[in-house]
Amino acid sequence: EAEVAQSPRYKITEKSQAVAFWCDPISGHATLYWYRQILGQGPELLVQFQDESVVDDSQLPKDRFSAERLKGVDSTLKIQPAELGDSAMYLCASSLDPSGSETQYFGPGTRLLVL
Amino acid sequence: GNSVTQMEGPVTLSEEAFLTINCTYTATGYPSLFWYVQYPGEGLQLLLKATKADDKGSNKGFEATYRKETTSFHLEKGSVQVSDSAVYFCALSEKNTGFQKLVFGTGTRLLVSP
Repeated sequence: EAEVAQSPRYKITEKSQAVAFWCDPISGHATLYWYRQILGQGPELLVQFQDESVVDDSQLPKDRFSAERLKGVDSTLKIQPAELGDSAMYLCASSLDPSGSETQYFGPGTRLLVL
Repeated sequence: GNSVTQMEGPVTLSEEAFLTINCTYTATGYPSLFWYVQYPGEGLQLLLKATKADDKGSNKGFEATYRKETTSFHLEKGSVQVSDSAVYFCALSEKNTGFQKLVFGTGTRLLVSP
């Protein structure tokens, strides 16, 4: 069964450093999502791509976060500089149809700890 | 804006007990409703969904009915197993410029003991 891949699974960094997370969606899935899940809370959407285009980044802190999906396949989420409050699980998800199927498939996540 | 409210956990049950996890929502229009499950160390998995009022979603013995009149989507299972121990998230979908966006509740942790 196809899965969404993410790496690394765990990342420890010091504040003010740069970090990057990678996601490879299920093959053929045009829509890709990045979520942030703070401990004890539900996931919150950071950015949504349709192919290589951003369709929603209203909750992305653009002063320090950036995301790209250059060829419309895999994606990278970057934080520079990292802050203590960025410690969270970063989840990637993908879906085949952005408006119809409504089923998002999630990867295992990257757990970030900022010291 | 749209929101989802879940009962706080943890919910602690013995094996074979009946499970209910409450979920209510606030939304404009008629969103689709979902339950996702997150096992330790893993990502979220879709458990079940319902797309319109009175629909019942079901999977692996879990059920939830879309109740428009009470804006609820409570999760139930008749007999839980130790392997059901996980965090359960209720979510609704909202559409913005044609693209679906999921809004999640805070999650409810279920602990099942033998």
